[in-house]
Amino acid sequence: EDQVTQSPEALRLQEGESSSLNCSYTVSGLRGLFWYRQDPGKGPEFLFTLYSAGEEKEKERLKATLTKKESFLHITAPKPEDSATYLCAVASGGSYIPTFGRGTSLIVHP
Amino acid sequence: EAGVTQFPSHSVIEKGQTVTLRCDPISGHDNLYWYRRVMGKEIKFLLHFVKESKQDESGMPNNRFLAERTGGTYSTLKVQPAELEDSGVYFCASSHGRIEAFFGQGTRLTVV
Repeated sequence: EDQVTQSPEALRLQEGESSSLNCSYTVSGLRGLFWYRQDPGKGPEFLFTLYSAGEEKEKERLKATLTKKESFLHITAPKPEDSATYLCAVASGGSYIPTFGRGTSLIVHP
Repeated sequence: EAGVTQFPSHSVIEKGQTVTLRCDPISGHDNLYWYRRVMGKEIKFLLHFVKESKQDESGMPNNRFLAERTGGTYSTLKVQPAELEDSGVYFCASSHGRIEAFFGQGTRLTVV
């Protein structure tokens, strides 16, 4: 059974203070690792898909990386508007149905 | 382009009653998914439609849950009769291919 563990559960940063969120996973045959952003009262918003170890993707202040056991979401010089819950999910085997982690709640203080 | 729309946004019902949730996917998206998040837990997969056919319903908790997708367009998820443990946020998502799924804002269901 696929397992996804995200850490930390919550993270408070000052504006401009760079940091990383971790997603550790256990799957048999990774099809894809997904990062989503979720704002309060809204559904998850797709950010990235990573397919193989060594792959990296960037979007504005966010950069996602992938190894065979974990993924990191690096946030460079965050702004208050980056405050949200960040969800990691993996899909394996013959399906693209993702298994989600519980998320990391990020708060960026001005 | 309109996103995935879910109705209602909130629903409070009594135990034993019936509730029907609706999802309108993005036009042209053949894949439609239902998920649920129970408080304090992760988002869990319920089922997957490809057009009007159920591709995978392995996540449906029990036979009190019935999902349909009329003509490959909108979908409904009915819970009958509702139990306290059914409370949570129900998300719908749709995708054209299999990868980038777009989520609706969710329906918060509270069973009292």
